[in-house]
Amino acid sequence: AQSVAQPEDQVNVAEGNPLTVKCTYSVSGNPYLFWYVQYPNRGLQFLLKYITGDNLVKGSYGFEAEFNKSQTSFHLKKPSALVSDSALYFCAVRLFNTDKLIFGTGTRLQVFP
Amino acid sequence: EPEVTQTPSHQVTQMGQEVILRCVPISNHLYFYWYRQILGQKVEFLVSFYNNEISEKSEIFDDQFSVERPDGSNFTLKIRSTKLEDSAMYFCASTGQETDTQYFGPGTRLTVL
Repeated sequence: AQSVAQPEDQVNVAEGNPLTVKCTYSVSGNPYLFWYVQYPNRGLQFLLKYITGDNLVKGSYGFEAEFNKSQTSFHLKKPSALVSDSALYFCAVRLFNTDKLIFGTGTRLQVFP
Repeated sequence: EPEVTQTPSHQVTQMGQEVILRCVPISNHLYFYWYRQILGQKVEFLVSFYNNEISEKSEIFDDQFSVERPDGSNFTLKIRSTKLEDSAMYFCASTGQETDTQYFGPGTRLTVL
């Protein structure tokens, strides 16, 4: 079965420190990979995506993610965390021949001042 | 920046009643989606819609559910006879011809009593 795993329910980081939110996937074929962020009482906001090409993709708000095909991972990173980055982060995959996004369970990022 | 909008933000209904959740996708988008998120669980795909017909649906999307694009701007999800287990946050999303990115609305929280 196709699945996405976010192994950490919560990630805590001090403001100014680098952050990593992990995502691994198990799908057949070559997926499209996405990160979304959800702030309280808001919808899912698109952060970045990997379709093809350079394994390091840059997105909104200084976030980036690295696609690693051999490890089937797509970890979200940011060099210097802000308190305002505190939110719920979702990794998602889509196979090229389907419409649906398959989401991970989400990781709550807490950035402390 | 164009956004997907959804109404109402919160809907409370009695079990067995019909509900209609409304979405206004981004104006030049052609592909429309509904997802749901039961409290504490993953975001799950329900259905995708293109060219006035369903293009893909999940096992969740049974005969109790239907979708419609009644005019040039709205996209609706109808649940004919709500059950307690339909209580969830329902997200609408849309995407355009030239992008692989699904843009989400803020969601409608449905509470079935």
